[in-house]
Amino acid sequence: EVQLVESGGGLVQPGGSLRLSCVVSGFKFRSYSMNWVRQAPGKGLEWLSYISSGGGIIYYADSVKGRFTISRDNAKNSVYLQMTSLRVGDTAIYYCAREAPQLWLDHWGQGNLVTVSS
Amino acid sequence: QSVLTQPPSASGTPGQRATISCSGNSSNIGGNFVYWYQQLAGAAPKVIIYRNDQRPSGVPDRISGSKSGTSASLAISGLRSEDEAHYYCATWDANLSGWVFGGGTKLTVL
Repeated sequence: EVQLVESGGGLVQPGGSLRLSCVVSGFKFRSYSMNWVRQAPGKGLEWLSYISSGGGIIYYADSVKGRFTISRDNAKNSVYLQMTSLRVGDTAIYYCAREAPQLWLDHWGQGNLVTVSS
Repeated sequence: QSVLTQPPSASGTPGQRATISCSGNSSNIGGNFVYWYQQLAGAAPKVIIYRNDQRPSGVPDRISGSKSGTSASLAISGLRSEDEAHYYCATWDANLSGWVFGGGTKLTVL
């Protein structure tokens, strides 16, 4: 069974940093690209970042470019999102999602809440 | 403000057909595949249409997708109470070099 489990969220002050982790199981992680998507409370989905299976190709949404960094460790079946210079507007549930060749984001984690507040 | 435009709400009674539109431009929908996601309350999104009009296994054939030019549509026929959810369209945007979602449509089954 495919599983994605995020961790690392919580309460952080504006300007602070946080590192989200997503550990996967049930599939050959090194063969899949991964993405991060977030959802602010009561709002819609926002795509944040993409990393290719080998980590050599990375994309970011303009809203997080220069502040967030995506990375992966294929030996640990994990993908990460390092978030810096956090703002109140970054408050959201953060999802990691597997990218399948045709279906795009076919499996998602349960989500991890990040709250940026003083 | 989302790059892709969806109506904020849609509704129908059980058994009826509901449609949700998604409007973009030539740099996104016009040149790329469209995907549709269903998000039930408190759950992660689930892909229900990929590559404009393809259904993943397990998605009933009363759910269909289409694309024409710079717009796409999701249709759900034979509405059921379990279809009540938020629906999001998404595609790649060449100008932004990133994926974009529509603002989402809340479907209510009256």
